Amino acid sequence: ETGVTQSPTHLIKTRGQQVTLRCSSQSGHNTVSWYQQALGQGPQFIFQYYREEENGRGNFPPRFSGLQFPNYSSELNVNALELDDSALYLCASSLAGTSSGNTIYFGEGSWLTVV
Amino acid sequence: GESVGLHLPTLSVQEGDNSIINCAYSNSASDYFIWYKQESGKGPQFIIDIRSNMDKRQGQRVTVLLNKTVKHLSLQIAATQPGDSAVYFCAEIRRYGGATNKLIFGTGTLLAVQP
Repeated sequence: ETGVTQSPTHLIKTRGQQVTLRCSSQSGHNTVSWYQQALGQGPQFIFQYYREEENGRGNFPPRFSGLQFPNYSSELNVNALELDDSALYLCASSLAGTSSGNTIYFGEGSWLTVV
Repeated sequence: GESVGLHLPTLSVQEGDNSIINCAYSNSASDYFIWYKQESGKGPQFIIDIRSNMDKRQGQRVTVLLNKTVKHLSLQIAATQPGDSAVYFCAEIRRYGGATNKLIFGTGTLLAVQP
């Protein structure tokens, strides 16, 4: 158990719809990163939030957006869903200023299927 | 439909044998390199990491080797057990823009342990 919880665990959406995924970070962690993992591939960095602001972004279009709340929890929003958005969405929490591997905690992910 | 295994390199070993999983990385500036284990339907689980100024680190039944000359990382698992069956990913920690702790994942390897 990492202490990072994500919801929902599974969901199905129709192309063109919007989705919101949620993440509660490990206690004491103030940074949340989101990753997209397509089937058979490694996770790809979407963006990171720190102090309620986006703190770095990967190669994802603006229809992928996020929020971080004062309690450090976070949301990932995807608008105008496309079939290729079907993937496992992973949240990872960490404490800013730490850089070793064992300081990054992943949740179990939210499986999104777009039909 | 296609399964994850058709897209991933696969290493098949007998229970009790040693396993070696390899990974090539691209960025010499990464501070840490990490190995993750990912079981079906779950998030990545931290196994071991190594700082870029080291060439070997040992954990419980696992050893990570880092060869910076050829940008190569390997994970050795001693006395492989059926519970070790999973997809293994190497990852680099990079600072990208303002983001700390951004992970760049390599192509995973499916480890299949035969009883």
